[in-house]
Amino acid sequence: SAVISQKPSRDICQRGTSLTIQCQVDSQVTMMFWYRQQPGQSLTLIATANQGSEATYESGFVIDKFPISRPNLTFSTLTVSNMSPEDSSIYLCSAQASYGYTFGSGTRLTVV
Amino acid sequence: GDSVTQMEGPVTLSEEAFLTINCTYTATGYPSLFWYVQYPGEGLQLLLKATKADDKGSNKGFEATYRKETTSFHLEKGSVQVSDSAVYFCALTLNSGNTPLVFGKGTRLSVIA
Repeated sequence: SAVISQKPSRDICQRGTSLTIQCQVDSQVTMMFWYRQQPGQSLTLIATANQGSEATYESGFVIDKFPISRPNLTFSTLTVSNMSPEDSSIYLCSAQASYGYTFGSGTRLTVV
Repeated sequence: GDSVTQMEGPVTLSEEAFLTINCTYTATGYPSLFWYVQYPGEGLQLLLKATKADDKGSNKGFEATYRKETTSFHLEKGSVQVSDSAVYFCALTLNSGNTPLVFGKGTRLSVIA
């Protein structure tokens, strides 16, 4: 079953800068999903990334703020652009596994 | 749209108590249902799942039965341990693998010795 390596695990960033989060899957997967988990909250879907096509964003999330790349069937990146303190969250990627869905360990982002 | 409603937390129980966390769903089709657990400072782990009506998922002493008639997937455990303290998320998907999970808000469980 698929295992996802996500990095960085945490970062503290200055407002106005950008951070790129990477997820590497140990097997080929069709779809990858990016979520945000604000402190003490549930997971909110940011976008769905299908290899070879542009990501599909959920309401409230835009490509200019959260550009996503999906260059092949095992890798995806999410960039959080022009960060503000409101972007402080845990960001997680996910993909299908044989038993359900597997998740990366998350990136805890703090914007100061 | 599709949605999941979980009982509000936090839930605090004594060790060896019986646990129920309620979960109901709204979906346009016949979803697959999941419980995920998030231990403090960690990512999400699949706890159990059920893919069709009357299926029972079970793992680590936890159980949940897919009830189509009540659109529910309540999580139960007969005797909780301190190590079960975590946040539990109920989730659904209509097309496993090709569509994302829709999560409930999560229920924080604290088990005290």
